[in-house]
Amino acid sequence: ETGVTQTPRHLVMGMTNKKSLKCEQHLGHNAMYWYKQSAKKPLELMFVYNFKEQTENNSVPSRFSPECPNSSHLFLHLHTLQPEDSALYLCASSQEGRFGSGANVLTFGAGSRLTVL
Amino acid sequence: AQRVTQPEKLLSVFKGAPVELKCNYSYSGSPELFWYVQYSRQRLQLLLRHISRESIKGFTADLNKGETSFHLKKPFAQEEDSAMYYCAPEKSQAGTALIFGKGTTLSVSS
Repeated sequence: ETGVTQTPRHLVMGMTNKKSLKCEQHLGHNAMYWYKQSAKKPLELMFVYNFKEQTENNSVPSRFSPECPNSSHLFLHLHTLQPEDSALYLCASSQEGRFGSGANVLTFGAGSRLTVL
Repeated sequence: AQRVTQPEKLLSVFKGAPVELKCNYSYSGSPELFWYVQYSRQRLQLLLRHISRESIKGFTADLNKGETSFHLKKPFAQEEDSAMYYCAPEKSQAGTALIFGKGTTLSVSS
């Protein structure tokens, strides 16, 4: 499969559950991102990984924990979430310079729709 | 603080009418400017970049440094242009990622 693939597409979890979102890119990119899309704040940057190193954490609560084992895979581990965390979580990738000096042309996945009960 | 503003949440036009989606930015230095689009049931995707100076699907966007604007324009709207449009001229604090505006929904009716 080409492009950016996100799984699962839909996830329903309770506030005490632990789950993970997965993102995989087949584009040979070296930077990956998590964005949150909700009705209140359309596109919020959460985390940035450049060359597998986390270069940004946009003041995201610790109940969200990212992991980037290699330049093709990105995870978002979820635990003790709140109902207000229900949203569409978008993964994106791009080809960047080591210090973020690239073009920031993002390729997005289809998203994982998360519902927290 | 660096900021991007898309003042219109919804823009409704008739087919064949001109379209202008507004975007203003507050940015130090030389910004790289983008418009992204999300059609119904499709992924968010790049529409155009200001440095390429292209016309994509009939849309153009000109950087106006004096007004700090990057408005998206099309002379004659088509129904298939109906979508959510995001302006992204802003870099995050560390400069490694794009910060998006709140988006404008364009609705083109016949």
